[in-house]
Amino acid sequence: EADIYQTPRYLVIGTGKKITLECSQTMGHDKMYWYQQDPGMELHLIHYSYGVNSTEKGDLSSESTVSRIRTEHFPLTLESARPSHTSQYLCASSGTGWGNEKLFFGSGTQLSVL
Amino acid sequence: RKEVEQDPGPFNVPEGATVAFNCTYSNSASQSFFWYRQDCRKEPKLLMSVYSSGNEDGRFTAQLNRASQYISLLIRDSKLSDSATYLCVVNSESAGGTSYGKLTFGQGTILTVHP
Repeated sequence: EADIYQTPRYLVIGTGKKITLECSQTMGHDKMYWYQQDPGMELHLIHYSYGVNSTEKGDLSSESTVSRIRTEHFPLTLESARPSHTSQYLCASSGTGWGNEKLFFGSGTQLSVL
Repeated sequence: RKEVEQDPGPFNVPEGATVAFNCTYSNSASQSFFWYRQDCRKEPKLLMSVYSSGNEDGRFTAQLNRASQYISLLIRDSKLSDSATYLCVVNSESAGGTSYGKLTFGQGTILTVHP
């Protein structure tokens, strides 16, 4: 089983609040990712990191930001939440090199902004 | 054209049926391919990796056709528990063989197995 954890599992919050979604993995993976997914829709990559102090924007533009100060930790922050940010946010990690690219996902954070 | 395309379905099949999904990818340099399964409101989980000409795992068979740039997933003797969304995932590599590790997901194919 994958050792990647996301908190909180569910978050309901008012417009304008600053929020941080936590993601931690204990597998020593260098690569970590954040995906956004609406119900019944496809996954969209919003951020990724290839290691400490490395962060890149993904294919889908997002107002969120990420940081990677430690290998095991990849938090996502929204400075001012809006209803349009309501979605499921999935964190994932993977190893490096051939045969290790498979992604392990956390259980996700379902964010609802009122 | 999307980088990874799947028939969204839904596929509605009776128990015991054999069902096949196809997935096409646009980047001929892609080197690694995966099938993931996602249950409703859950995270995707790896079902199978497809590295060479294909592989089999119990009732599931994955095949890769590099010339036509598609992969397929065959499920034999479908079970009710197979109902889920099946995601085709492709990893595009550099020409130098370095793994960038950024995986591209298809939109998923919905499978419903009924009694």
